Amino acid sequence: KAGVTQTPRYLIKTRGQQVTLSCSPISGHRSVSWYQQTPGQGLQFLFEYFSETQRNKGNFPGRFSGRQFSNSRSEMNVSTLELGDSALYLCASRPSGSSGYNEQFFGPGTRLTVL
Amino acid sequence: QKEVEQDPGPLSVPEGAIVSLNCTYSNSAFQYFMWYRQYSRKGPELLMYTYSSGNKEDGRFTAQVDKSSKYISLFIRDSQPSDSATYLCAMLPNSGYALNFGKGTSLLVTP
Repeated sequence: KAGVTQTPRYLIKTRGQQVTLSCSPISGHRSVSWYQQTPGQGLQFLFEYFSETQRNKGNFPGRFSGRQFSNSRSEMNVSTLELGDSALYLCASRPSGSSGYNEQFFGPGTRLTVL
Repeated sequence: QKEVEQDPGPLSVPEGAIVSLNCTYSNSAFQYFMWYRQYSRKGPELLMYTYSSGNKEDGRFTAQVDKSSKYISLFIRDSQPSDSATYLCAMLPNSGYALNFGKGTSLLVTP
Protein backbone atom coordinates (compact mmCIF):
# COMPACT_ATOMS: atom_id res chain seq x y z
CA LYS A 1 0.00 0.00 0.00
CA ALA A 2 1.39 3.40 -0.92
CA GLY A 3 2.16 5.75 1.94
CA VAL A 4 1.13 9.33 2.48
CA THR A 5 2.36 11.54 -0.32
CA GLN A 6 2.93 15.28 -0.22
CA THR A 7 3.63 17.73 -3.00
CA PRO A 8 5.66 19.68 -3.61
CA ARG A 9 8.58 18.51 -1.49
CA TYR A 10 10.30 21.88 -1.49
CA LEU A 11 9.03 25.43 -1.93
CA ILE A 12 10.65 28.83 -1.78
CA LYS A 13 8.40 31.87 -1.44
CA THR A 14 8.78 35.49 -0.46
CA ARG A 15 7.06 37.36 2.32
CA GLY A 16 3.51 38.35 1.54
CA GLN A 17 2.91 35.59 -0.97
CA GLN A 18 0.55 32.70 -0.45
CA VAL A 19 1.19 29.00 -0.83
CA THR A 20 -0.83 25.81 -1.26
CA LEU A 21 0.44 22.43 -0.17
CA SER A 22 -1.11 19.09 -1.09
CA CYS A 23 -1.44 15.79 0.74
CA SER A 24 -2.77 12.43 -0.47
CA PRO A 25 -3.50 10.04 2.41
CA ILE A 26 -3.03 6.30 2.46
CA SER A 27 -5.77 4.62 0.44
CA GLY A 28 -8.85 4.14 2.58
CA HIS A 29 -7.83 6.69 5.22
CA ARG A 30 -10.39 9.46 5.59
CA SER A 31 -8.76 11.52 8.32
CA VAL A 32 -5.93 13.90 7.46
CA SER A 33 -4.09 16.04 10.01
CA TRP A 34 -1.54 18.75 9.34
CA TYR A 35 1.45 19.61 11.52
CA GLN A 36 4.13 22.29 11.38
CA GLN A 37 7.67 21.30 12.39
CA THR A 38 10.27 23.92 13.30
CA PRO A 39 13.53 23.61 15.23
CA GLY A 40 12.28 25.99 17.90
CA GLN A 41 8.77 24.66 18.51
CA GLY A 42 8.98 21.09 17.28
CA LEU A 43 5.83 19.58 15.80
CA GLN A 44 2.64 21.54 16.33
CA PHE A 45 -0.87 20.56 15.30
CA LEU A 46 -2.53 22.76 12.70
CA PHE A 47 -5.87 21.10 11.91
CA GLU A 48 -7.60 17.88 11.01
CA TYR A 49 -10.05 17.07 8.25
CA PHE A 50 -12.42 14.16 8.09
CA SER A 51 -14.95 13.54 5.34
CA GLU A 52 -14.35 17.00 3.85
CA THR A 53 -15.02 18.77 7.16
CA GLN A 54 -12.58 20.45 9.49
CA ARG A 55 -12.98 18.51 12.69
CA ASN A 56 -10.28 20.02 14.90
CA LYS A 57 -8.06 23.08 14.83
CA GLY A 58 -4.83 24.03 16.57
CA ASN A 59 -3.68 27.39 17.80
CA PHE A 60 -2.59 28.99 14.53
CA PRO A 61 -3.73 32.29 12.98
CA GLY A 62 -6.43 32.42 10.34
CA ARG A 63 -3.78 32.77 7.62
CA PHE A 64 -3.51 29.00 7.85
CA SER A 65 -6.43 27.20 6.27
CA GLY A 66 -7.19 23.92 4.64
CA ARG A 67 -9.72 21.80 2.89
CA GLN A 68 -10.38 18.22 2.00
CA PHE A 69 -11.82 16.76 -1.16
CA SER A 70 -14.22 13.88 -1.65
CA ASN A 71 -11.29 11.54 -2.45
CA SER A 72 -9.77 12.45 0.97
CA ARG A 73 -6.92 14.42 -0.57
CA SER A 74 -6.24 17.55 1.44
CA GLU A 75 -4.70 20.91 0.79
CA MET A 76 -3.48 23.54 3.19
CA ASN A 77 -3.06 27.17 2.33
CA VAL A 78 -0.97 29.84 4.00
CA SER A 79 -1.69 33.41 3.00
CA THR A 80 0.44 36.51 3.53
CA LEU A 81 3.54 34.49 4.28
CA GLU A 82 5.85 35.57 7.08
CA LEU A 83 9.48 34.63 7.67
CA GLY A 84 8.39 32.59 10.69
CA ASP A 85 6.27 30.35 8.47
CA SER A 86 9.45 28.68 7.22
CA ALA A 87 9.04 25.10 8.36
CA LEU A 88 8.49 21.50 7.40
CA TYR A 89 4.77 20.94 6.91
CA LEU A 90 3.70 17.39 7.54
CA CYS A 91 0.43 15.69 6.94
CA ALA A 92 -0.65 12.48 8.60
CA SER A 93 -3.48 10.12 7.83
CA ARG A 94 -5.33 7.80 10.17
CA PRO A 95 -7.10 4.54 9.47
CA SER A 96 -10.88 4.83 9.35
CA GLY A 97 -12.44 3.07 12.27
CA SER A 98 -9.22 2.95 14.28
CA SER A 99 -9.49 3.25 18.03
CA GLY A 100 -7.96 6.70 18.20
CA TYR A 101 -5.42 9.18 17.01
CA ASN A 102 -2.51 7.14 18.32
CA GLU A 103 -2.01 5.52 14.90
CA GLN A 104 -1.14 8.32 12.54
CA PHE A 105 1.08 7.85 9.52
CA PHE A 106 3.09 10.79 8.28
CA GLY A 107 4.11 11.84 4.82
CA PRO A 108 7.62 13.09 3.94
CA GLY A 109 6.62 16.71 4.36
CA THR A 110 6.89 19.89 2.33
CA ARG A 111 9.86 22.08 3.22
CA LEU A 112 8.72 25.71 2.91
CA THR A 113 11.29 28.48 2.95
CA VAL A 114 10.07 32.08 3.15
CA LEU A 115 12.57 34.74 2.09
CA GLN B 1 6.97 25.11 29.79
CA LYS B 2 6.08 22.52 27.19
CA GLU B 3 3.91 19.60 28.27
CA VAL B 4 6.42 17.12 26.86
CA GLU B 5 10.16 17.46 27.43
CA GLN B 6 12.85 15.53 25.62
CA ASP B 7 16.62 15.93 25.70
CA PRO B 8 17.69 16.94 22.18
CA GLY B 9 21.06 15.21 22.38
CA PRO B 10 22.93 14.47 20.24
CA LEU B 11 23.47 11.03 21.66
CA SER B 12 26.37 9.08 20.15
CA VAL B 13 26.83 5.36 20.84
CA PRO B 14 28.91 2.56 19.31
CA GLU B 15 27.24 -0.12 17.25
CA GLY B 16 25.80 -2.89 19.41
CA ALA B 17 25.17 -0.66 22.43
CA ILE B 18 21.88 -0.46 24.27
CA VAL B 19 20.30 2.95 23.76
CA SER B 20 17.95 4.60 26.22
CA LEU B 21 15.78 7.50 25.07
CA ASN B 22 13.50 9.31 27.48
CA CYS B 23 10.70 11.85 27.77
CA THR B 24 9.03 13.49 30.71
CA TYR B 25 5.61 15.07 30.70
CA SER B 26 3.44 17.20 32.90
CA ASN B 27 -0.12 16.42 31.77
CA SER B 28 -1.47 13.55 33.86
CA ALA B 29 -4.31 13.12 31.34
CA PHE B 30 -1.98 11.59 28.75
CA GLN B 31 -2.88 7.93 28.19
CA TYR B 32 -1.36 7.09 24.80
CA PHE B 33 2.40 7.20 24.42
CA MET B 34 4.02 6.91 21.00
CA TRP B 35 7.54 6.78 19.67
CA TYR B 36 8.35 8.02 16.20
CA ARG B 37 11.61 7.80 14.28
CA GLN B 38 12.49 10.53 11.81
CA TYR B 39 15.32 10.22 9.33
CA SER B 40 16.79 13.33 7.76
CA ARG B 41 14.52 14.80 5.09
CA LYS B 42 11.75 12.32 5.91
CA GLY B 43 8.52 12.38 7.86
CA PRO B 44 8.15 10.74 11.28
CA GLU B 45 7.60 6.97 11.21
CA LEU B 46 5.52 5.39 13.96
CA LEU B 47 7.62 2.78 15.80
CA MET B 48 5.23 1.74 18.53
CA TYR B 49 2.64 2.97 20.96
CA THR B 50 1.64 2.05 24.49
CA TYR B 51 -1.61 2.64 26.28
CA SER B 52 -1.34 3.67 29.94
CA SER B 53 1.47 2.17 32.00
CA GLY B 54 3.64 -0.84 31.36
CA ASN B 55 6.08 -2.22 28.86
CA LYS B 56 5.79 -3.15 25.21
CA GLU B 57 8.38 -4.96 23.14
CA ASP B 58 8.78 -5.11 19.37
CA GLY B 59 11.94 -6.74 18.12
CA ARG B 60 14.91 -4.72 19.31
CA PHE B 61 12.68 -1.95 20.66
CA THR B 62 11.11 -1.79 24.12
CA ALA B 63 8.86 1.03 25.29
CA GLN B 64 8.24 1.68 28.97
CA VAL B 65 5.75 4.00 30.60
CA ASP B 66 5.84 5.03 34.25
CA LYS B 67 2.79 7.20 34.81
CA SER B 68 3.54 7.71 38.49
CA SER B 69 6.76 9.48 37.53
CA LYS B 70 5.40 10.90 34.26
CA TYR B 71 8.35 9.36 32.49
CA ILE B 72 8.57 7.24 29.36
CA SER B 73 11.50 5.44 27.78
CA LEU B 74 12.44 3.72 24.56
CA PHE B 75 15.23 1.15 24.65
CA ILE B 76 17.00 -0.02 21.53
CA ARG B 77 19.01 -3.23 21.87
CA ASP B 78 21.93 -4.14 19.62
CA SER B 79 21.86 -0.69 18.03
CA GLN B 80 22.79 -0.43 14.35
CA PRO B 81 24.08 2.47 12.24
CA SER B 82 20.72 2.37 10.48
CA ASP B 83 19.12 3.39 13.79
CA SER B 84 20.79 6.80 13.45
CA ALA B 85 17.87 9.23 13.34
CA THR B 86 15.86 11.61 15.49
CA TYR B 87 13.49 9.91 17.90
CA LEU B 88 10.33 11.74 18.88
CA CYS B 89 8.00 10.88 21.68
CA ALA B 90 4.34 11.85 21.35
CA MET B 91 1.42 11.68 23.72
CA LEU B 92 -2.36 11.87 23.71
CA PRO B 93 -5.07 12.01 26.34
CA ASN B 94 -8.12 9.79 25.98
CA SER B 95 -10.34 11.35 23.31
CA GLY B 96 -7.44 13.57 22.26
CA TYR B 97 -6.82 14.35 18.61
CA ALA B 98 -3.62 16.42 18.49
CA LEU B 99 -0.36 14.62 19.12
CA ASN B 100 1.80 16.36 21.73
CA PHE B 101 5.38 15.86 20.64
CA GLY B 102 8.71 16.21 22.35
CA LYS B 103 11.29 18.03 20.28
CA GLY B 104 13.16 14.83 19.55
CA THR B 105 16.52 13.28 20.47
CA SER B 106 19.15 12.97 17.77
CA LEU B 107 20.85 9.55 17.88
CA LEU B 108 24.06 8.60 16.09
CA VAL B 109 25.20 4.98 16.09
CA THR B 110 28.80 4.69 14.95
CA PRO B 111 30.22 1.52 13.32
